[in-house]
Amino acid sequence: GQQLNQSPQSMFIQEGEDVSMNCTSSSIFNTWLWYKQDPGEGPVLLIALYKAGELTSNGRLTAQFGITRKDSFLNISASIPSDVGIYFCAGILTGANSKLTFGKGITLSVRP
Amino acid sequence: DVKVTQSSRYLVKRTGEKVFLECVQDMDHENMFWYRQDPGLGLRLIYFSYDVKMKEKGDIPEGYSVSREKKERFSLILESASTNQTSMYLCASSGWDRGYGYTFGSGTRLTVV
Repeated sequence: GQQLNQSPQSMFIQEGEDVSMNCTSSSIFNTWLWYKQDPGEGPVLLIALYKAGELTSNGRLTAQFGITRKDSFLNISASIPSDVGIYFCAGILTGANSKLTFGKGITLSVRP
Repeated sequence: DVKVTQSSRYLVKRTGEKVFLECVQDMDHENMFWYRQDPGLGLRLIYFSYDVKMKEKGDIPEGYSVSREKKERFSLILESASTNQTSMYLCASSGWDRGYGYTFGSGTRLTVV
């Protein structure tokens, strides 16, 4: 099945730094979502975006739904150790009957 | 708080055993999904269901079956477990109340020996 493009597979940052993650696709999506997965747990929804151009914040997290509807980014500001985990982007294609398409995820490590 | 509950966090089964993974949601969601997660491969959809007694194959249904007799419960069945089915299994549900974003369970880490 189709997947969204997330790269690199891993990112290493220093505590206090900002980090930005991108997610791209060749197809148009109606909805973009960002999930975080802590080690040994299921993914948890961070931010949902429903309109092209929408910019939404959740604490230190900010995400945007790209104008072309083919991409989205997530920004984490002032990173802290508990930000470590896997960050997945996901989207709902037009006519997909609410089935999500996922990126492979980016594993974020934060050095104290 | 809304929940998706997976019956086991860790399971160890022998090759050839029939394995049942249970998932229950309390949000009255129509849609339920089973994924497996392996390092470097991301989340891969096994089966999904849009309604009671309905099921559709995902991307990797071979070796698996599912059952949805009640709206809140979606079971994944490994007919004859094999070592290549050792993985993290994640159940999710979705509905209009959350814009069809998934709510995931905590996962079941299955080891087949």
